[in-house]
Amino acid sequence: DAGITQSPRHKVTETGTPVTLRCHQTENHRYMYWYRQDPGHGLRLIHYSYGVKDTDKGEVSDGYSVSRSKTEDFLLTLESATSSQTSVYFCAIRSGQKNSPLHFGNGTRLTVT
Amino acid sequence: AQSVTQLGSHVSVSEGALVLLRCNYSSSVPPYLFWYVQYPNQGLQLLLKYTSAATLVKGINGFEAEFKKSETSFHLTKPSAHMSDAAEYFCAVSGSNFGNEKLTFGTGTRLTIIP
Repeated sequence: DAGITQSPRHKVTETGTPVTLRCHQTENHRYMYWYRQDPGHGLRLIHYSYGVKDTDKGEVSDGYSVSRSKTEDFLLTLESATSSQTSVYFCAIRSGQKNSPLHFGNGTRLTVT
Repeated sequence: AQSVTQLGSHVSVSEGALVLLRCNYSSSVPPYLFWYVQYPNQGLQLLLKYTSAATLVKGINGFEAEFKKSETSFHLTKPSAHMSDAAEYFCAVSGSNFGNEKLTFGTGTRLTIIP
């Protein structure tokens, strides 16, 4: 992996509770992304960041918020978890070079009961 | 806006046979195309990418893909399947101004290798 650590790797939580997932990178890359992976849907972008304190929404951002106070950390928060947010969440990073590919973390498996 | 369609959510091939995974794209600007592979309980790894330099792109593990603009396709092939190729494969597309742009993924194709 390209210096990407996601934590926790597994989490079970109850409906209505807030949850924060963390992505930490050691590559000093500018761009960071949060995707969710669900059967039949592939990967869908939740939010992304193009710099410290610069973030934008993806295609499935409802119910999620993000923060990036340092280059290396990108946090994803589920404000009030719902069962529909049970999924595998992947963080990805990318350098600022044109056409550079995404590099992915190993994912966080979240179950909302 | 961009999108990709992967034909066949599951593909099975015999060990030693040709692997062909299909991807068609839609893009309003010249696309950049990627193939990623995902092994169980892991993140996605880049197999190869097309960035307009050459239409035939070679990647890791013996895979290659050919960009065909007339067919809006970017199919992934490997001449001889190996058991270790069993995984899920994702095609992805981005626009030519891939700065803040997002990478859009297909729904994936699970490749099974039959001994």
